[in-house]
Amino acid sequence: GNSVTQMEGPVTLSEEAFLTINCTYTATGYPSLFWYVQYPGEGLQLLLKATKADDKGSNKGFEATYRKETTSFHLEKGSVQVSDSAVYFCALAGNNDMRFGAGTRLTVKP
Amino acid sequence: NAGVTQTPKFRILKIGQSMTLQCAQDMNHNYMYWYRQDPGMGLKLIYYSVGAGITDKGEVPNGYNVSRSTTEDFPLRLELAAPSQTSVYFCASRDSAYSGNTIYFGEGSWLTVV
Repeated sequence: GNSVTQMEGPVTLSEEAFLTINCTYTATGYPSLFWYVQYPGEGLQLLLKATKADDKGSNKGFEATYRKETTSFHLEKGSVQVSDSAVYFCALAGNNDMRFGAGTRLTVKP
Repeated sequence: NAGVTQTPKFRILKIGQSMTLQCAQDMNHNYMYWYRQDPGMGLKLIYYSVGAGITDKGEVPNGYNVSRSTTEDFPLRLELAAPSQTSVYFCASRDSAYSGNTIYFGEGSWLTVV
């Protein structure tokens, strides 16, 4: 079945550092890939998505490219801010269901 | 625009009690989902529905039941609550089978079984 493997955290960075959170997937067919963000006490919010191979999703300075050859969808940001502190989830959507990675907690220190 | 609404937000149950978590969406989405999130863990799919009258099991369905009598509502029933069901529960919805459609989440229901 479909599954997502996400880099384990927690990750602690200083402000303006470069961020990479790794995500790989296993899937049949042609899934769509997502990154969701969860702030404390809240539900998950869509950060970005890509619906086919080689697509790049981007939002708020975050980027991720759908790499079919390496079955990956790594999240990157060139310069993180304290306000980016949250839990980030990689997710894969098939036609019926959606599977999530375990989540990576990011803490950005001033 | 309310989106996905879950009630209650917080609940404490005693072992063996039953309860229903309510979920409603006002976006006319066909697909609806229930997930649970254990502390420090990712989301596990409990049940999902692809339309009124149709439900199916996810990864962790044991101890739960669902129904989908209308497009808007997708309640999750816990029978004979156990401490292992202490978790945060999220309801979510999506417009259609197209995998690229965004899934929208409710704010979560915090359940403690003691």
